[in-house]
Amino acid sequence: AQTVTQSQPEMSVQEAETVTLSCTYDTSESDYYLFWYKQPPSRQMILVIRQEAYKQQNATENRFSVNFQKAAKSFSLKISDSQLGDAAMYFCAYRETSYGGSQGNLIFGKGTKLSVKP
Amino acid sequence: DTGVSQDPRHKITKRGQNVTFRCDPISEHNRLYWYRQTLGQGPEFLTYFQNEAQLEKSRLLSDRFSAERPKGSFSTLEIQRTEQGDSAMYLCASSLGQGEAFFGQGTRLTVV
Repeated sequence: AQTVTQSQPEMSVQEAETVTLSCTYDTSESDYYLFWYKQPPSRQMILVIRQEAYKQQNATENRFSVNFQKAAKSFSLKISDSQLGDAAMYFCAYRETSYGGSQGNLIFGKGTKLSVKP
Repeated sequence: DTGVSQDPRHKITKRGQNVTFRCDPISEHNRLYWYRQTLGQGPEFLTYFQNEAQLEKSRLLSDRFSAERPKGSFSTLEIQRTEQGDSAMYLCASSLGQGEAFFGQGTRLTVV
């Protein structure tokens, strides 16, 4: 079974600095999707960034970028120029592609709580 | 359309009572998912609908849990004979096919 591991329960960053959140996963599939979701306190989870495993190029979305190391099964999130609004729980998630008959449900890690200091 | 909405946002119930939660997905989304999130954990998959058909259920979904999605629109999740271990945040998400999943704000259940 696929698993997702986030080894950093909490992280802290100074405003305007850069922080990297770690994620590793385990799968025997060769094609899949990886995601980072942000869950602010008492608010809904929103997608931050998505990576397709067959793409070698790391995904970027404005201040957010990933370091996808397929062989190492590692998928870290880098947040540049951190802002106070970035403070939230961040979840790494895995999803199979439809080719494997997957229904598309996400498998989440336990999350990393990010604090941003002014 | 304002996104995925869930009702109620909070529910406190006594052990042994039945509770029902509702999820209204984004209108054109054919897929609907239920997840459960306990404190300090990431969301865990419970069940999945494609249109009105319930296609997959996690082993986490005991026989006290039942979910429906009549007419492929809104969905309900019912928990019968609630136990303290059912206390959690119940999240609903919807997507159009294999596209991005959009989450609701969740229903926080407390069983006392």
